[in-house]
Amino acid sequence: EDQVTQSPEALRLQEGESSSLNCSYTVSGLRGLFWYRQDPGKGPEFLFTLYSAGEEKEKERLKATLTKKESFLHITAPKPEDSATYLCAVRPNYGGATNKLIFGTGTLLAVQP
Amino acid sequence: KAGVTQTPRYLIKTRGQQVTLSCSPISGHRSVSWYQQTPGQGLQFLFEYFSETQRNKGNFPGRFSGRQFSNSRSEMNVSTLELGDSALYLCASSLEQDSPLHFGNGTRLTVT
Repeated sequence: EDQVTQSPEALRLQEGESSSLNCSYTVSGLRGLFWYRQDPGKGPEFLFTLYSAGEEKEKERLKATLTKKESFLHITAPKPEDSATYLCAVRPNYGGATNKLIFGTGTLLAVQP
Repeated sequence: KAGVTQTPRYLIKTRGQQVTLSCSPISGHRSVSWYQQTPGQGLQFLFEYFSETQRNKGNFPGRFSGRQFSNSRSEMNVSTLELGDSALYLCASSLEQDSPLHFGNGTRLTVT
């Protein structure tokens, strides 16, 4: 069964304290792994897409990496405005194009000044 | 460029009623997908449409239905509402199938 597990469920950091969020997945073929950020009362905001093991993407203080079994979202020197829920999702290979994504339950990140 | 627009933002309905939610995708995006988000289950896929055709459907009962119009705008309908249908309903659009999804801010449905 296709599954995505994120850890930790919640993470509290001090401003400037770097850390990593984990997303492990079990999927029948991977057509993409996605990271989203979701603020309270809003929809998920797209951050990155990764397609193959070894791939890395960066945006400001965020860096996403991908292996065959998991992905990491590294947050370097976070600021309070980085506080949000970070969601990981995979697009399984069902044999054709699809927008059916399997989401993890997210990591709630709180960055304290 | 305007993002995905969902209306209404909030809805309160009574058990047994039906409801229609609307979604306008990003201009030029041809694929629209719907997801249900609840605290217990997270985001779960409902269905996706491309060129007015339903391409995939999630594991939801037949009370959940949708459609896409020629201008790519989409609606979803839930009939015979149940308390468990209370959730945030998110619409997402993408340029093509297999492109990244861009989400709207959702419609918060409360069933009493």
